[in-house]
Amino acid sequence: AQKITQTQPGMFVQEKEAVTLDCTYDTSDQSYGLFWYKQPSSGEMIFLIYQGSYDEQNATEGRYSLNFQKARKSANLVISASQLGDSAMYFCAMRERTAGGTSYGKLTFGQGTILTVHP
Amino acid sequence: EAQVTQNPRYLITVTGKKLTVTCSQNMNHEYMSWYRQDPGLGLRQIYYSMNVEVTDKGDVPEGYKVSRKEKRNFPLILESPSPNQTSLYFCASSFTGNSPLHFGNGTRLTVT
Repeated sequence: AQKITQTQPGMFVQEKEAVTLDCTYDTSDQSYGLFWYKQPSSGEMIFLIYQGSYDEQNATEGRYSLNFQKARKSANLVISASQLGDSAMYFCAMRERTAGGTSYGKLTFGQGTILTVHP
Repeated sequence: EAQVTQNPRYLITVTGKKLTVTCSQNMNHEYMSWYRQDPGLGLRQIYYSMNVEVTDKGDVPEGYKVSRKEKRNFPLILESPSPNQTSLYFCASSFTGNSPLHFGNGTRLTVT
C-alpha cells in the first residue's frame, strides 16, 4: 500500500483564488511528521510547511496552511490567494520512525501534484 | 550561506563505470539522506544517515553505496551503474530526523 497518496496529478486555479492539494497517508505509528515541499520548474526543492502528529493546531506559514485531519489520515495543503509564482510541483511527505526504532530516518514522498495558476 | 552542495549537476556515463556524487552541507546537520526522483514516482529515499558512521537503507538502496565518515559529507557511490539508475538525484540534510530537510540542487545522471 502507498504510504503517501496524492490523488491529483494536476490542478488548475485562477490567480488570487484559494486551492487545496490533497494528501492522505498511511502509518501505524502514533508519532510522525508531515511535510509539504514545492518544486518549481527550475528543479530545486523548497520546504513549505510542517505538521507534527501530536500538534493540535493546524500548521500555518503565510499563505500556506495545512488542513490536518488525523482520524482520516489526511494532510491537505491549502494555498490562499494564489499567485503566478505558485505554479509548480507540490510534494507531500511523511517522516516516521524506522520499524522498532526511535529515530525518524525514513521519509516517504507522494507522487506529486502539478499546480498551474492562471492569470 | 547555509547550503547543501551537490556535485556534479549533470553527469553522463556508461554502464559499469563507477561514479561518485558528492554532497556536502555547512549547517552542522546530523541527518543526511539521498533521494532519486523519477516521473510519476515522486522522490524515493535511497539511503539516510542519522549521524557520523551511522547509515541505513531507504526504500531503493539496491545498486548504491554511501558513507558518512565526516558530519558534513555524504557521498553517493554507484559501483556499477546501469541504465535504470538514470534519474535526478537529490541530497538533503536536516538538524534531526524530524526537522525540515534542506535540499541540494540535484544531480541529473544519465547512464547509457
